[in-house]
Order: sequence, then structure tokens, then C-alpha cells
Amino acid sequence: GENVEQHPSTLSVQEGDSAVIKCTYSDSASNYFPWYKQELGKGPQLIIDIRSNVGEKKDQRIAVTLNKTAKHFSLHITETQPEDSAVYFCAASGWKGGSYIPTFGRGTSLIVHP
Amino acid sequence: NAGVTQTPKFRILKIGQSMTLQCTQDMNHNYMYWYRQDPGMGLKLIYYSVGAGITDKGEVPNGYNVSRSTTEDFPLRLELAAPSQTSVYFCASSYSDSGVGNIQYFGAGTRLSVL
Repeated sequence: GENVEQHPSTLSVQEGDSAVIKCTYSDSASNYFPWYKQELGKGPQLIIDIRSNVGEKKDQRIAVTLNKTAKHFSLHITETQPEDSAVYFCAASGWKGGSYIPTFGRGTSLIVHP
Repeated sequence: NAGVTQTPKFRILKIGQSMTLQCTQDMNHNYMYWYRQDPGMGLKLIYYSVGAGITDKGEVPNGYNVSRSTTEDFPLRLELAAPSQTSVYFCASSYSDSGVGNIQYFGAGTRLSVL
């Protein structure tokens, strides 16, 4: 089955710095890679996603890059703000055996210091 | 749209008790999922359903049961609760077919303690 590794587990930055979170996956059949943000006491919420036919996608201060050959994808947050503090999860999924089930990384706790 | 609604938000169970965690979605999604989240361990899939009447096991199904009689509802049943089932449980739903990625929408979670 799919295996997703996510690093680092904790990331501490100063406000205004950039933050990068990296994930690797094992199954070459995976073709959809979402990133979720989980604020304290809430459920995860999608912030950005990328499909395997695209190398990079941006949405304001957030960007995701995908390297299919190396089987890794990364989340980039620029000009970090205290409200970016949360746990971030990557996931990899693909259409396999009649179902579309994602596998999640273990999460990265991002702390942005004012 | 309420999205995905989970009840209860908190619950304390004694060892050996049973309970049902409720999950309802109003987005007409075909897929529904149950996850448990333990500290530092990410989201582990318990069970999922690809449509009414169809369910399948995920990574950690032992000690749990599910049913999906309607598109909207996907309850999770805990029989003979054990301390190892102390966790935060999330229900999610998505629309999935072979042509699109499946954006998942999560409920707010149920925090369960088994003592």
C-alpha cells in the first residue's frame, strides 16, 4: 500500500520567515496530493492541492511543488503570520481497485513566533 | 450547508461500555470516512464507505463497526470500549470518481476518553 513520510514533525519560525514542509510517497499510482491545515480543536481543512500533471501551484502566500520522478512534494508558506500556526498534513491518493482512498503523513506542527 | 456534522463533541466511557458516534453530511457526497487521531500519529483510517450499503475496512478497524444505510449518515459503533480507543475521532466525506481528486471535508471531531 501507499506510505507517506512527512518532515519535519515540528517547525518553529519567526513571523515573516518562510516555512517549508516536505513529503515523500511510495506508490507511483498516486496522482492527487492535497495539503490540510488543522487548527486547535478543529477538523483538518484543505488549503491547497496538486495533481500529478502539474509541477507547481500557487495561492497567494502558499505554494505546492511536486516531483513525480522523485516521488516527493512540498508545501511552501511565505511571509508567515501567527495565524499560520497549526498542524499541517500532506496526503497522497490515487484511483486503485475501485476506490480513491488517501494516505496521510503524520503531520507537522508549525509555530510562528510574533 | 452544514457540511459534516459529528455528535457528540466529547464523551467519557467506562471500559466495556458501548457507544455510537454519529456523522451526517449534507453535500450528497458518495464517499465517507472515519479516522482516529492520536498525538503525533496523524490520521489513521478506521473504515470507509464508497456509497450507501457499501463499507470497507481501513488501516485500524479492530474494535469498531460501521453501517451506511443512507448517503447522508455513517455512524461508527464502538463495542466493548477499551483504553486503547481513547482518541479524537474525525468523520469526513468527499465526492470521488476516477477523474477527480477527492477533496475531503472533515467534521469538528469527537474527543473520546475510555477510563
